[in-house]
Amino acid sequence: QLQLQESGPGLVKPSETLSLTCTVSGGSITSSDYYWGWVRQPPGKGLEWIESIYYSGSTYYNPSLKSRVSISVDTSKNQFSLKLSSVTAADTAVYYCARHGGPYNWSGFDHWGQGTLVTVSS
Amino acid sequence: QSALTQPPSVSGSPGQSVTISCTGTSSDVGSYNRVSWYQQPPGTAPKLVIYEVSNRPSGVPDRFSGSKSGNTASLTISGLQAEDDIDHCCSSYTGSTTLGVFGGGTKLTVL
Repeated sequence: QLQLQESGPGLVKPSETLSLTCTVSGGSITSSDYYWGWVRQPPGKGLEWIESIYYSGSTYYNPSLKSRVSISVDTSKNQFSLKLSSVTAADTAVYYCARHGGPYNWSGFDHWGQGTLVTVSS
Repeated sequence: QSALTQPPSVSGSPGQSVTISCTGTSSDVGSYNRVSWYQQPPGTAPKLVIYEVSNRPSGVPDRFSGSKSGNTASLTISGLQAEDDIDHCCSSYTGSTTLGVFGGGTKLTVL
């Protein structure tokens, strides 16, 4: 059974860089036609898709965050990672990693991590 | 990238049916049959309950159904149960560099 697990600091200072890693188990991150993405949810608010990556390195991104976001994949570890720079309190959210199809087989986000709360505060 | 529009809340009594709408534009919902719906209990990750407008993943009961008309997609839950008293969210493929967009979420209250 495919499982995703986020890891990273739960507290980040303003202006610093938020770094999270998602470890995939029960399946390969190199599976054809699937992208691996990050979605966040500020407290009491809706979901916001951040960015996604294919195992080859191809990415799709949210233009509103693109200038601050970096995503990478490590196929040897079956992991992908997110970096969000220059964070502010507005970046406080539960961050989820999730799997979804690509442009030819988009069927929504079918597997999710449990989520990790990241608080931006000094 | 604009979020899809959902009503903040809907309600229904046990056993009844409710419908949650999800309105987008001709660039997302209106152009693609790639709308998906999620349930999200408090403090947990979303769970996919409908994909490609009206398909149910394995294990999702047939009380859940989806449809689309123009730029608006809908999720209908029949035979409401207490466990349905949670948040529901839609998403759509956008066919651009963003790939996908979410709705703001709807809190379903079972009276």
